[in-house]
Amino acid sequence: DAGVIQSPRHEVTEMGQEVTLRCKPISGHNSLFWYRQTMMRGLELLIYFNNNVPIDDSGMPEDRFSAKMPNASFSTLKIQPSEPRDSAVYFCASSLSGTGSTGELFFGEGSRLTVL
Amino acid sequence: AQSVTQLGSHVSVSEGALVLLRCNYSSSVPPYLFWYVQYPNQGLQLLLKYTSAATLVKGINGFEAEFKKSETSFHLTKPSAHMSDAAEYFCAVRGRGDYKLSFGAGTTVTVRA
Repeated sequence: DAGVIQSPRHEVTEMGQEVTLRCKPISGHNSLFWYRQTMMRGLELLIYFNNNVPIDDSGMPEDRFSAKMPNASFSTLKIQPSEPRDSAVYFCASSLSGTGSTGELFFGEGSRLTVL
Repeated sequence: AQSVTQLGSHVSVSEGALVLLRCNYSSSVPPYLFWYVQYPNQGLQLLLKYTSAATLVKGINGFEAEFKKSETSFHLTKPSAHMSDAAEYFCAVRGRGDYKLSFGAGTTVTVRA
């Protein structure tokens, strides 16, 4: 089975540009998470979707960040406008949540974003 | 809220030596506990998980972890380190009924030849 698929793997952009990161979760999973990883702050949860509905977006740093999940097989994380401090690796993860599920996360390979 | 503390941000071991990574959790009831490994430029991969079925949990690549309620610990061990074990390791906890995994800060393992 295919795992979580993220694109692009690498993105280099200039400050002020719009960045869109994409994620395809594992088929059948009903929960999707976006994380950001930096040396200084480690792994930070940005937003959590359950059954395509955003449940917790308290980790989204600013209004410049937005995320959508239009269907069960696709999600986007958008940064507009981007700033150098947004440079990080962004991970998408999915899981199967519900009664009896242990809810472990399956991570994608990540999207490394560099904002110049 | 659940949380984990990983003791030691860096661990260096010789090839063939024991690997021991420490993790302590904070929870009022036994939670779900996980260890993940992250190789350079890759995502996190599940090594093993504790779900209350057994206190000694065996995972992939020869790793195992023991849940000790009295010590609120879930330390990860491997009897003999390989060069391929060089990576970053994360302990994580999820409360029963919660959706959120809380990750530790990570421990970087280097293996000396």
